[in-house]
Amino acid sequence: AQSVAQPEDQVNVAEGNPLTVKCTYSVSGNPYLFWYVQYPNRGLQFLLKYITGDNLVKGSYGFEAEFNKSQTSFHLKKPSALVSDSALYFCAVRPVELNNAGNMLTFGGGTRLMVKP
Amino acid sequence: DSGVTQTPKHLITATGQRVTLRCSPRSGDLSVYWYQQSLDQGLQFLIQYYNGEERAKGNILERFSAQQFPDLHSELNLSSLELGDSALYFCASSATQGETQYFGPGTRLLVL
Repeated sequence: AQSVAQPEDQVNVAEGNPLTVKCTYSVSGNPYLFWYVQYPNRGLQFLLKYITGDNLVKGSYGFEAEFNKSQTSFHLKKPSALVSDSALYFCAVRPVELNNAGNMLTFGGGTRLMVKP
Repeated sequence: DSGVTQTPKHLITATGQRVTLRCSPRSGDLSVYWYQQSLDQGLQFLIQYYNGEERAKGNILERFSAQQFPDLHSELNLSSLELGDSALYFCASSATQGETQYFGPGTRLLVL
């Protein structure tokens, strides 16, 4: 079975400072990894994904994520946080090889990012 | 805007009732997924359809069912509703089974 852990319920950072939102995963075989963001009263917006290749993935709104196979991690990062980045962030995983679970995504519990002016 | 539409946005109903949630995928997407987001369970996968056929089932209750129609829109039917069914229900779609899933704005269900 696959699983995702986001160890921090909330991350606080000052505007202009770098931010990191942590994610570790467990999956059989190779993973596809995703980050989504949820703003209040909105659906989940796709930020970025890792499929294969370069371990550093760049996504929307200046976010990037680093895949580390040995540590089974996929941390989300941004060099300079904006107040408008404040939202709920979800990490998700699915195995590369489709199985009886189809293409289902397994999500972490979410991390609330608070960026203060 | 992801291109995935869901109706209604909000739904308030009573215990024991039945409701239907509707989802229209992005143009050209063949795969539709349903997820439930609740405070205690987080985001959980319910069911997936691909080109009209059920492809995978997750933690979906027997009181819940879904289908995908020939025009590729999907409906999630929730029956014998209980207080604990109150949640945000998301639909997502992808071009094929392996592609990125794009989420709709969700339907917020409140069971009183």
